[in-house]
Amino acid sequence: DTGVSQNPRHKITKRGQNVTFRCDPISEHNRLYWYRQTLGQGPEFLTYFQNEAQLEKSRLLSDRFSAERPKGSFSTLEIQRTEQGDSAMYLCASSQTSGGAIETQYFGPGTRLLVL
Amino acid sequence: DQQVKQNSPSLSVQEGRISILNCDYTNSMFDYFLWYKKYPAEGPTFLISISSIKDKNEDGRFTVFLNKSAKHLSLHIVPSQPGDSAVYFCAGFSSGSARQLTFGSGTQLTVLP
Repeated sequence: DTGVSQNPRHKITKRGQNVTFRCDPISEHNRLYWYRQTLGQGPEFLTYFQNEAQLEKSRLLSDRFSAERPKGSFSTLEIQRTEQGDSAMYLCASSQTSGGAIETQYFGPGTRLLVL
Repeated sequence: DQQVKQNSPSLSVQEGRISILNCDYTNSMFDYFLWYKKYPAEGPTFLISISSIKDKNEDGRFTVFLNKSAKHLSLHIVPSQPGDSAVYFCAGFSSGSARQLTFGSGTQLTVLP
């Protein structure tokens, strides 16, 4: 399977715990995005990497959230001191620089987080 | 500020008929738009895209129309099939300072056999 993969698929944690999610993009893609989706809403942008550089962060990404893409391949998203409001589906997407043409983002299956 | 709006949360159509899903936007800086389909417990799957300089793009049973003056786009599915039942999201992308997809809230399409 050469699509975007995410692990774990589901995570249940207690409030105050730290959690980490992993995303493996499509291998030749240099851009990687994280989104969050809550019930009844579309995905909301969190942050974006080009290779290993984190180029943009949403105001949704509080200081409890941190993302890395150390070698420009896989990425991790960590949430510290989780809160019940962090319960959501966390989606990862990847794309390849297109030189001005439409750059399609391909999504992984997501990690569903439930904070009790 | 909802830059992309899908005002119909749900739509039901009969198998074989046309499905028309609508999307409105306010940000005139979007360079292109994409439609995604999403099944429960899965990530969004890309369907079709359209550049802001085009007014139509077609791919098999799927056609997207863009009316820039009205800031409106629509996705037509003909003929509709039961397997098309899913949530459909439209999203706009700006290659300016904010490189991100901005999604609407989705429309649940149900195709009745």
